[in-house]
Amino acid sequence: NAGVTQTPKFRILKIGQSMTLQCTQDMNHNYMYWYRQDPGMGLKLIYYSVGAGITDKGEVPNGYNVSRSTTEDFPLRLELAAPSQTSVYFCASRPDQGVDEKLFFGSGTQLSVL
Amino acid sequence: AQKVTQVQTEISVVEKEDVTLDCVYETRDTTYYLFWYKQPPSGELVFLIRRNSFDEQNEISGRYSWNFQKSTSSFNFTITASQVVDSAVYFCALVEYNFNKFYFGSGTKLNVKP
Repeated sequence: NAGVTQTPKFRILKIGQSMTLQCTQDMNHNYMYWYRQDPGMGLKLIYYSVGAGITDKGEVPNGYNVSRSTTEDFPLRLELAAPSQTSVYFCASRPDQGVDEKLFFGSGTQLSVL
Repeated sequence: AQKVTQVQTEISVVEKEDVTLDCVYETRDTTYYLFWYKQPPSGELVFLIRRNSFDEQNEISGRYSWNFQKSTSSFNFTITASQVVDSAVYFCALVEYNFNKFYFGSGTKLNVKP
């Protein structure tokens, strides 16, 4: 089972560049999440989705956009990258409530904005 | 307001010592779930335990045990006879009744020295 797959694993951006972090899961989970983890810190929720076509902001959405056109994919778009967006980004998914209430995480994308 | 607080940012112990990681949470909901995740140096997030708000029984799994006390809003994690492989960052997390957002603490870095 692939689980939650994130690409790329590492990326260096210049200030002002844009990129998309890819996330796909093969567990047919409706709920998907994007978190960022700054060095030595905890996880902050950027955006989440409760199903295809539905997204909502988390704690730190500024500078990011998401879309959810399919159940499997939940890409995170960075527009006009800034040094403050240097972080490790984790995508996660979970099944519906009552099935298995835990998050399944991808392996992370380490992003540096220079 | 901080929903999950892990006051210990870093703990160092010598192998075979017992160690307790503290987690205090804040919620107005009567239905919620608490989690512990482990993040080893390799960076992935590993699920350890889930506990719902109606189950205050303590749980033991090998060298790991968890103490859930609603009266003090705490969900502490104890490692007995610690090992070097336990060295990691440990995160406590809360999800409330609507079950959409997971809130993570800032993590406790555990260093187990031989």
